[in-house]
Amino acid sequence: QSALTQPASVSGSPGQSITISCTGTSSDVGSYNLVSWYQQHPGKAPKLMIYEGSKRPSGVSNRFSGSKSGNTASLTISGLQAEDEADYYCCSYAGSSTRWVFGGGTKLTVL
Amino acid sequence: EVQLVESGGGLVKPGGSLRLSCAASGFTFSSYSMNWVRQAPGKGLEWVSSISSSSSYIYYADSVKGRFTISRDNAKNSLYLQMNSLRAEDTAVYYCAREDDYGDAFDIWGQGTMVTVSS
Repeated sequence: QSALTQPASVSGSPGQSITISCTGTSSDVGSYNLVSWYQQHPGKAPKLMIYEGSKRPSGVSNRFSGSKSGNTASLTISGLQAEDEADYYCCSYAGSSTRWVFGGGTKLTVL
Repeated sequence: EVQLVESGGGLVKPGGSLRLSCAASGFTFSSYSMNWVRQAPGKGLEWVSSISSSSSYIYYADSVKGRFTISRDNAKNSLYLQMNSLRAEDTAVYYCAREDDYGDAFDIWGQGTMVTVSS
């Protein structure tokens, strides 16, 4: 099972919006509405930001939103803030055999 | 407070074995599927293994199948990962992670434990 494809890096200025893409296949992203997104600051554990493609856990800012079209999921962060600078990973359910597959991660830099 | 605390990491020689533990607290451990996810130094996240709440269903990534064994003890609120025939490429921080109520995502993560495989 290959990893999902994410851009290595994205950047934006405070207050701007950015979007991170996550491309999979018809065996994972395209088949299930089970894409999640995680934020990871250096030296810290990942934190769930989006689940089921577009739902936010309690406590996560509404500046974070998710969507999916075909085999590609996206995470959008609006009103960028300095504390958003982190690595972001997508993850998709990939069936009863492979179970879960992660993206390679995207480093977000807030300029 | 909902918490997962991993332990058992360390330095091991290639071909060696190590057993990781994850202690859960603050929630009904026996109701949730649990997972191990690893992260090699400077690399991305990689799902390793899953175990259902009653241990009825167990899954492994191809990269560890036949070498790693996941297990749990619901009476002790603990998750385990027995790692045998370790290779240099198994060097990583190993996180235990809880699947949420619907098995949709990993909603709770431990702080991780470092495993280094080197001679």
